[in-house]
Amino acid sequence: GDSVTQMEGPVTLSEEAFLTINCTYTATGYPSLFWYVQYPGEGLQLLLKATKADDKGSNKGFEATYRKETTSFHLEKGSVQVSDSAVYFCALVQVVSSAAGNKLTFGGGTRVLVKP
Amino acid sequence: DAGVTQSPTHLIKTRGQQVTLRCSPISGHKSVSWYQQVLGQGPQFIFQYYEKEERGRGNFPDRFSARQFPNYSSELNVNALLLGDSALYLCASSSQGTGQPQHFGDGTRLSIL
Repeated sequence: GDSVTQMEGPVTLSEEAFLTINCTYTATGYPSLFWYVQYPGEGLQLLLKATKADDKGSNKGFEATYRKETTSFHLEKGSVQVSDSAVYFCALVQVVSSAAGNKLTFGGGTRVLVKP
Repeated sequence: DAGVTQSPTHLIKTRGQQVTLRCSPISGHKSVSWYQQVLGQGPQFIFQYYEKEERGRGNFPDRFSARQFPNYSSELNVNALLLGDSALYLCASSSQGTGQPQHFGDGTRLSIL
């Protein structure tokens, strides 16, 4: 079945440091890929997405490129802030049917802590 | 516009009891999915509903059931609660279409004593 593997955390950084969170996936076909972020006590917020190979998703300074040849979707940010402290989840979706939403398969999450 | 709303926010039950969790999707979204997130792990898919029909089911026992109503809201029911059912239960809604992102509510924190 489909699966997503993320680097284990926690990742501890200083403000303005460069952040990379590795994500690789196993899936049949051509899934869409997502990064979600979860702040303490909250649900998941969509951070960015990519729907086909070589697409680059970006939002709030975060970027990730859909690399089909390496089955990867690594998340990067050039200069992190304390407010970026959260848990980040990589996820993929396979179409269940064209008339419905889709089942998300998540990685285990990576906790990021940014210190002032 | 209101996002996905879930109720209640927190719930405490004892083993063997039954619980019902509720979810209202974003206006215009016809698909609702339920996920279980155990502390320290990623969410696990439980159910997906679209137009009141079950369109997907994860690897959960029959104690878990759900339904979707004509207004597209949804309920998740869990019977004969076990300690291992303690988790954050997340509801997500999406519009139809391939690769459409799912929008999550803040979840219901269920604690089993």
